[in-house]
Amino acid sequence: NAGVTQTPKFRVLKTGQSMTLLCAQDMNHEYMYWYRQDPGMGLRLIHYSVGEGTTAKGEVPDGYNVSRLKKQNFLLGLESAAPSQTSVYFCASSYPGQDYEQYFGPGTRLTVT
Amino acid sequence: GQSLEQPSEVTAVEGAIVQINCTYQTSGFYGLSWYQQHDGGAPTFLSYNALDGLEETGRFSSFLSRSDSYGYLLLQELQMKDSASYFCAVRARNTNAGKSTFGDGTTLTVKP
Repeated sequence: NAGVTQTPKFRVLKTGQSMTLLCAQDMNHEYMYWYRQDPGMGLRLIHYSVGEGTTAKGEVPDGYNVSRLKKQNFLLGLESAAPSQTSVYFCASSYPGQDYEQYFGPGTRLTVT
Repeated sequence: GQSLEQPSEVTAVEGAIVQINCTYQTSGFYGLSWYQQHDGGAPTFLSYNALDGLEETGRFSSFLSRSDSYGYLLLQELQMKDSASYFCAVRARNTNAGKSTFGDGTTLTVKP
């Protein structure tokens, strides 16, 4: 099993450009999450999904959109990138009722210039 | 909302024991989780306390006291590979399923 995978691993964007980050999991998890991690800080929840076709806002959702068209995939979109969105983005997944144990992907390092 | 506080840095020597504390402010929550993250890597789950008391997993133990709004991660027989950041996390009872809050993390440096 690959677990949780993320593409791309690195990306540099110019201000105003858009992009989509892809997260895939092969563990049949219902719940999926997108976090951002800034230097020296913890993980902040951007959006999450408790099942296919459902999404919900987390702690810092502004400037991001998500979609969960298939159970195994969770996409994070940046509509118009800003330098404040420079960060490391982590995707995670878990079983329902066991969201205390989340499985994380390797992360995407995004720089917006 | 939920607020979690952890020390920013802890240093210890190889073979020693270190305790990383996590204090929280939330009206009620399901439990306290701990994650480890090596520099440049992904967070990995270490332990979860649903109930008060001590949970032991090999060299790592985690403790929770709801009455004191306090938990800790105890690492014994420290090894160089334990140098990493450690995060506590909670999901409060008044939030939607899946919505967890993480502390800012404690960077542990193990010296020879």
